Amino acid sequence: QKEVEQNSGPLSVPEGAIASLNCTYSDRGSQSFFWYRQYSGKSPELIMFIYSNGDKEDGRFTAQLNKASQYVSLLIRDSQPSDSATYLCAVKARGGGFKTIFGAGTRLFVKA
Amino acid sequence: DAGITQSPRHKVTETGTPVTLRCHQTENHRYMYWYRQDPGHGLRLIHYSYGVKDTDKGEVSDGYSVSRSKTEDFLLTLESATSSQTSVYFCAISESPPLAGGNQPQHFGDGTRLSIL
Repeated sequence: QKEVEQNSGPLSVPEGAIASLNCTYSDRGSQSFFWYRQYSGKSPELIMFIYSNGDKEDGRFTAQLNKASQYVSLLIRDSQPSDSATYLCAVKARGGGFKTIFGAGTRLFVKA
Repeated sequence: DAGITQSPRHKVTETGTPVTLRCHQTENHRYMYWYRQDPGHGLRLIHYSYGVKDTDKGEVSDGYSVSRSKTEDFLLTLESATSSQTSVYFCAISESPPLAGGNQPQHFGDGTRLSIL
């Protein structure tokens, strides 16, 4: 079992719809959770981070964390074609230095 | 955008040759990281540094070494490059100290595309 798992996609949604991206992790002691967006041929850029159970909203983005079920999700409201990218989930375990484990990413395609 | 510069941006070399990639930051962040990114594997940590001359191995460190003689520079060396090391290499940095008991997110450089023939 991979430490951080994401559906590779592609996830295809129409413009204006809600895109839901999911991520599960294996280390129950994980504390910090991050979502990065990566356009093709570019570097990852941070979108959201979340530390506590529940929802965290930032503009059109909402991160949801459920530590009991060991999953974290990213919702993108009013999806735009410019949101088409690969979304990487990253998890930092408690202790263990400052290592962060990345999922392989989910490709999102927003159809105009 | 975080001030991170990777050099070179592209390199093609032959098997068995030494290769050094450089990461330079202007943010004075304590923590620096080297990742490789391959299709289907996502980002995998090679080595990281938590201060000048303080480094540790990541999950895919075999065949790689690093050095950090100054806060702003983190070098990744492939002593004898192999075709399996063909990849895109990203440098990342993060601040110190961590907030709220968690860890600071990482900010990435633009990457180095390395091809080993």
